[in-house]
Amino acid sequence: AQSVSQHNHHVILSEAASLELGCNYSYGGTVNLFWYVQYPGQHLQLLLKYFSGDPLVKGIKGFEAEFIKSKFSFNLRKPSVQWSDTAEYFCAVNAGNNRKLIWGLGTSLAVNP
Amino acid sequence: SQTIHQWPATLVQPVGSPLSLECTVEGTSNPNLYWYRQAAGRGLQLLFYSVGIGQISSEVPQNLSASRPQDRQFILSSKKLLLSDSGFYLCALGQPQGTEAFFGQGTRLTVV
Repeated sequence: AQSVSQHNHHVILSEAASLELGCNYSYGGTVNLFWYVQYPGQHLQLLLKYFSGDPLVKGIKGFEAEFIKSKFSFNLRKPSVQWSDTAEYFCAVNAGNNRKLIWGLGTSLAVNP
Repeated sequence: SQTIHQWPATLVQPVGSPLSLECTVEGTSNPNLYWYRQAAGRGLQLLFYSVGIGQISSEVPQNLSASRPQDRQFILSSKKLLLSDSGFYLCALGQPQGTEAFFGQGTRLTVV
């Protein structure tokens, strides 16, 4: 069965630190990959997505993610985090003809000022 | 642009009472519609999804049901709420080709 694993459940960083959140999926075929963010008290919103082409995708607010097919990974990165990046981050995968998004459990990021 | 209206934002209901949460969407036609429950540390649990009017797929056995009486309306219901039904419920829409989902603001349900 398709699944998504997010390795870090809770991450605490200081401002200006670099961020990398891991995401691995289990599916051998073509995938669409997503990162969503949920800021405190707000609804889920799309951060970035990968469908095809350049495996390094750039999203909003300085985030980027790299699709590494051989590792079945789609890690989220940001070179320098800000306090306003405090949020919960979800990785999701839509594989093949499946109409459903498969979600990771989320990573809670806290950035200390 | 696509928008999702979900209400109410918060709801407190006694055990054994019925439930009806409504979700309507605008700016799209024939979307896939989803009901999720979000719990802290447990991510997003897909409850129901619908690819068209009257077409409902249930993902997990539970005390809840869903209906899609119109193309842009998706309703989550229960005849008798349980304490375990408490949670944060999210409605989402996606395109039939399975691209990204857009989420509503959610309903915080507390069963007392």
